[in-house]
Amino acid sequence: SQTIHQWPATLVQPVGSPLSLECTVEGTSNPNLYWYRQAAGRGLQLLFYSVGIGQISSEVPQNLSASRPQDRQFILSSKKLLLSDSGFYLCAWSHNYGYTFGSGTRLTVV
Amino acid sequence: QKEVEQNSGPLSVPEGAIASLNCTYSDRGSQSFFWYRQYSGKSPELIMFIYSNGDKEDGRFTAQLNKASQYVSLLIRDSQPSDSATYLCAVNGGDDKIIFGKGTRLHILP
Repeated sequence: SQTIHQWPATLVQPVGSPLSLECTVEGTSNPNLYWYRQAAGRGLQLLFYSVGIGQISSEVPQNLSASRPQDRQFILSSKKLLLSDSGFYLCAWSHNYGYTFGSGTRLTVV
Repeated sequence: QKEVEQNSGPLSVPEGAIASLNCTYSDRGSQSFFWYRQYSGKSPELIMFIYSNGDKEDGRFTAQLNKASQYVSLLIRDSQPSDSATYLCAVNGGDDKIIFGKGTRLHILP
């Protein structure tokens, strides 16, 4: 069966520090992968999606970047975090019945 | 811009009653429709998907789709306290990117 892993579960980082969040999928090949952010009291905002290795599409201009170095690995990064980067970050992969989300990373920038 | 609209709630329903959640979408070309349940602090979980006009039933859940009216609903019969959560409506416009509503908070009163 397919599973999706995200880590870490929670993260507290100072303003200006770098960020790296990792997501991996098991049990499927060549999945479409997505990074979403959910800010407090707001909806899910699509940040990036990838249809294959090295293929990244950005949905909104921001302080973040994404990479897909392997078929089942998707990484979200930042060189210098801002306070506004705080939120709940979710990785997802798509299949015929919608998306399956990872357990998420709650990022607090202080 | 493609949009999915939901009443933010909270919607309070007595235990054992029917909870009715509604959603409208802007893109008439949308092909598939999803309902996700999100408990506080957790990632969204897919509970229903529907592609065709009409009703789809799964246990206590019924999804209803009316493409002419661009309207999707979710009925929860025999509501239980464990159904208390935020319910996200989501729509796929055919480009494999799902647009989410901001969610409706449902509170089941014991």
